[in-house]
Amino acid sequence: AQKVTQAQTEISVVEKEDVTLDCVYETRDTTYYLFWYKQPPSGELVFLIRRNSFDEQNEISGRYSWNFQKSTSSFNFTITASQVVDSAVYFCALSGIQTGANNLFFGTGTRLTVIP
Amino acid sequence: DGGITQSPKYLFRKEGQNVTLSCEQNLNHDAMYWYRQDPGQGLRLIYYSQIVNDFQKGDIAEGYSVSREKKESFPLTVTSAQKNPTAFYLCASSIGRQLSNQPQHFGDGTRLSIL
Repeated sequence: AQKVTQAQTEISVVEKEDVTLDCVYETRDTTYYLFWYKQPPSGELVFLIRRNSFDEQNEISGRYSWNFQKSTSSFNFTITASQVVDSAVYFCALSGIQTGANNLFFGTGTRLTVIP
Repeated sequence: DGGITQSPKYLFRKEGQNVTLSCEQNLNHDAMYWYRQDPGQGLRLIYYSQIVNDFQKGDIAEGYSVSREKKESFPLTVTSAQKNPTAFYLCASSIGRQLSNQPQHFGDGTRLSIL
């Protein structure tokens, strides 16, 4: 079965603080893809990153970084020097090749509030 | 600009009424999807389509219907059989037909409420 757990329902930080959003996943597939999406108050989901199961290199994009660890089935997302515009709901998602190949499984999301 | 357009932004349904949510994309994407989002929950897949005139049920297809007569359009009908239709509905598309590894692009959503 495919499952994504985002244990942090809501997080509040003061502007310029660093914050890490946790994502733990379960899958029986050996080939799978992990995604992070941002949902600002306007409602649409914005794609942030895709990572395949064979690439465990961490990735940095500006103030965003992602830490993928297969040993702990985690794909955590860190925002450095947070800004008010980072306030949104963030979703982690999983898609497998062997099972659920036509399905993207979403976590329940983490609502991040950055306080000015 | 390329993107996905959903309309209307807000929709109200009377008891026993069918309503149709529009989704149009000009990204030339093959695959399109409909998701339902309830408060405090992740997105759940209703239907998806990989090609014109073909579509597949997702996890929660009961009470919904779709059509894919044109590549750029994937309307969703919420029928009277859907007893709890109040939710936020998101349409998405992705390039190609290998669905699992492609990032999806989303519209702004339609919020459906019961009168």
